Amino acid sequence: AQRVTQPEKLLSVFKGAPVELKCNYSYSGSPELFWYVQYSRQRLQLLLRHISRESIKGFTADLNKGETSFHLKKPFAQEEDSAMYYCALKPYTDKLIFGTGTRLQVFP
Amino acid sequence: DGGITQSPKYLFRKEGQNVTLSCEQNLNHDAMYWYRQDPGQGLRLIYYSQIVNDFQKGDIAEGYSVSREKKESFPLTVTSAQKNPTAFYLCCSSDGGTGNTIYFGEGSWLTVV
Repeated sequence: AQRVTQPEKLLSVFKGAPVELKCNYSYSGSPELFWYVQYSRQRLQLLLRHISRESIKGFTADLNKGETSFHLKKPFAQEEDSAMYYCALKPYTDKLIFGTGTRLQVFP
Repeated sequence: DGGITQSPKYLFRKEGQNVTLSCEQNLNHDAMYWYRQDPGQGLRLIYYSQIVNDFQKGDIAEGYSVSREKKESFPLTVTSAQKNPTAFYLCCSSDGGTGNTIYFGEGSWLTVV
């Protein structure tokens, strides 16, 4: 079955600390993976996608097919990073599957 | 602002009444989706449509219905059969295919009393 697992509901760190939001997926084909972010009182928006191999707002995510993971990382967290983060899987031409989300709290 | 509009933003209805949530996009996207967002459960797919006049059930379609008569519109009806309809509903659209971008609406809060 196609599934996305985000094991942490809440992740709390202090400003300047490294952050890693975990995402594991279950899919037999070549996955298309995304991270979406929802800041307080804003709509859900794309943060990054694995095919772009880009860094957005200091965040990166590497697809590890062996471990079926797509963890989101940032070396130094900022208070403005506090938000809800969703990992998502999109099988080709099929529906978008979201994880349950991880709330990131960055304390000053 | 993303070209996808949901309305109304807030809606109150009495138990037993059907209610329809609107989702309109001007992005010329083929695919449209409805998700339900509940605390601690993330986003769960209700229905999706990859082309006009066609749609498929998602993971929690029971008690919901949709139509896709026009490319730009994908309304969701929450029927009286839905046992726990109070939730936040999100609509999104995408152009489909590899590397597609997905745009979300601002969401609709439905409260059934």
